[in-house]
Amino acid sequence: GESVGLHLPTLSVQEGDNSIINCAYSNSASDYFIWYKQESGKGPQFIIDIRSNMDKRQGQRVTVLLNKTVKHLSLQIAATQPGDSAVYFCAENSGGYQKVTFGIGTKLQVIP
Amino acid sequence: NAGVTQTPKFQVLKTGQSMTLQCAQDMNHNSMYWYRQDPGMGLRLIYYSASEGTTDKGEVPNGYNVSRLNKREFSLRLESAAPSQTSVYFCASNKGPMNTGELFFGEGSRLTVL
Repeated sequence: GESVGLHLPTLSVQEGDNSIINCAYSNSASDYFIWYKQESGKGPQFIIDIRSNMDKRQGQRVTVLLNKTVKHLSLQIAATQPGDSAVYFCAENSGGYQKVTFGIGTKLQVIP
Repeated sequence: NAGVTQTPKFQVLKTGQSMTLQCAQDMNHNSMYWYRQDPGMGLRLIYYSASEGTTDKGEVPNGYNVSRLNKREFSLRLESAAPSQTSVYFCASNKGPMNTGELFFGEGSRLTVL
């Protein structure tokens, strides 16, 4: 079936460096792609989304890139901080009533 | 502003027991969702309610029932708990139709079935 998945389950980054978290998706009919951050013991928190007709969107210290040709999504975090340590999920919205499908997640570890 | 509130936060059940997870949101959102999260499997949709008075099955509905009690509240019931239902359950909400997929999540309910 359709699925959203991640290339790397764990990513370790030095504090101050940039982080890149990747995601592969298979449902080309999705309208939106979304990144969530989940800190230990908490619920996921929305970071940023991108519409399927865009290829780049920037937020505060984050950039999401969408490559529809190869069905690839990435989240770039600039100047990674210890507070960025969390599990990051990519997700896609492909249903008429927001059926949001999540990938398995990537754990980002920031090394002080 | 509490956002999405789930109760209980922790629960231990024996196989065959029943229980209801409660969820309430104070953001006047139309749509509400129940997900379960298991290690290595991300979040999977159990049921959702697009608007008050409607509910629909998600990816993994077997063994669960839901009730959209009013616009604020959406409960998840396990009629006869099984060890396979040991998981962390998250309730979420969003504004509803035409939304991008930005979900607001509760803190989770950690359920263990022995």
